[in-house]
Amino acid sequence: DAKTTQPNSMESNEEEPVHLPCNHSTISGTDYIHWYRQLPSQGPEYVIHGLTSNVNNRMASLAIAEDRKSSTLILHRATLRDAAVYYCILRNFGNEKLTFGTGTRLTIIP
Amino acid sequence: DSGVTQTPKHLITATGQRVTLRCSPRSGDLSVYWYQQSLDQGLQFLIQYYNGEERAKGNILERFSAQQFPDLHSELNLSSLELGDSALYFCASSLGGASTDTQYFGPGTRLTVL
Repeated sequence: DAKTTQPNSMESNEEEPVHLPCNHSTISGTDYIHWYRQLPSQGPEYVIHGLTSNVNNRMASLAIAEDRKSSTLILHRATLRDAAVYYCILRNFGNEKLTFGTGTRLTIIP
Repeated sequence: DSGVTQTPKHLITATGQRVTLRCSPRSGDLSVYWYQQSLDQGLQFLIQYYNGEERAKGNILERFSAQQFPDLHSELNLSSLELGDSALYFCASSLGGASTDTQYFGPGTRLTVL
């Protein structure tokens, strides 16, 4: 599986936008970029995914670089409930499992 | 609430014992995945079942086995338990098994081996 690199931790102020980066320089053309997050004492939950184009949903936006070697998860207005570990995961077509890295621990400052 | 249920929530047992963890997927989901989360190894994929058949295997020890029943619930059996098997075990389900399918995770079973 292609690897992803994320910062170990980030902090952001409440009600501010948050940009969580992910590098995936060895991404292949058929790798989808998925983001999951794990809130304290809970199982992981899906956030968003994309292939080439930027994506938006009610939780977040995903900005994918033109060369697809990096992507950024954007939380438009962070709340305390967004404090979690965020995982950037590559899933190849036909590969159904999730390969979790160490993720980014996001702390929201009130 | 993801719709995935796991029982029990907590399990405390001794080394050498055998335990069974149970997972009920979301209604309509055919795929079930098992993951292990430990402090030193992080979240690791163990095994996947799709509509009763094993579909993919990850870092699952030979002492561990799983199955998916006709009603689509799944059980993970852990035997000859060691201290290092203490971890959170998550079950996830998805509609089919495509690489774009969202996986919905249960709340996990915390296993403590003493």
